Amino acid sequence: AQTVTQSQPEMSVQEAETVTLSCTYDTSESDYYLFWYKQPPSRQMILVIRQEAYKQQNATENRFSVNFQKAAKSFSLKISDSQLGDAAMYFCAYRGDNQGGKLIFGQGTELSVKP
Amino acid sequence: GAVVSQHPSRVICKSGTSVKIECRSLDFQATTMFWYRQFPKKSLMLMATSNEGSKATYEQGVEKDKFLINHASLTLSTLTVTSAHPEDSSFYICSASSLLNTEAFFGQGTRLTVV
Repeated sequence: AQTVTQSQPEMSVQEAETVTLSCTYDTSESDYYLFWYKQPPSRQMILVIRQEAYKQQNATENRFSVNFQKAAKSFSLKISDSQLGDAAMYFCAYRGDNQGGKLIFGQGTELSVKP
Repeated sequence: GAVVSQHPSRVICKSGTSVKIECRSLDFQATTMFWYRQFPKKSLMLMATSNEGSKATYEQGVEKDKFLINHASLTLSTLTVTSAHPEDSSFYICSASSLLNTEAFFGQGTRLTVV
């Protein structure tokens, strides 16, 4: 069975600084997708970034980028130039290629941004 | 991205009664819908997977007679919490996916309080 682990329950960053959230996963599948979701206080799940396992290039979305290490099964999220609006719960998620959208979530990391 | 609407956003019900939560995909056909439960400061726990026109598949430990799921059309899935008890109080989130998408789209969630 696949598992996703986020070992940082809480992280804090100064506004405008950079922070990295860690995520590791375990799977025997070769094709899969990895995601980072943001859940602000409204509790709406917002997709931050997505990575296809077959792509070697790390995904980037504006201030958000990932460091995808397939052999190490690591998928960290880097937030650059942190903003107050980045404060939220962040969840790492895994989806197998043939899972029809079923996501396996990590435990979550609560990010606070200090002004 | 596609839009998933979940209703109601908040509901309070008396112990012993049943409550229905709706999840609608507004601009795409959702072949599969997922129901999650989330406790405060915790991750999303998958309860069940429903495919249009077939019985839902429940995760281990989830009572299928307590949490009735219906996915009668490609745009609507419902979760009915039957004979609700205070321990059923939680945040419930649905997500929907189609054959054309690699990601799942989330509803806004429903906060259920059983008094």
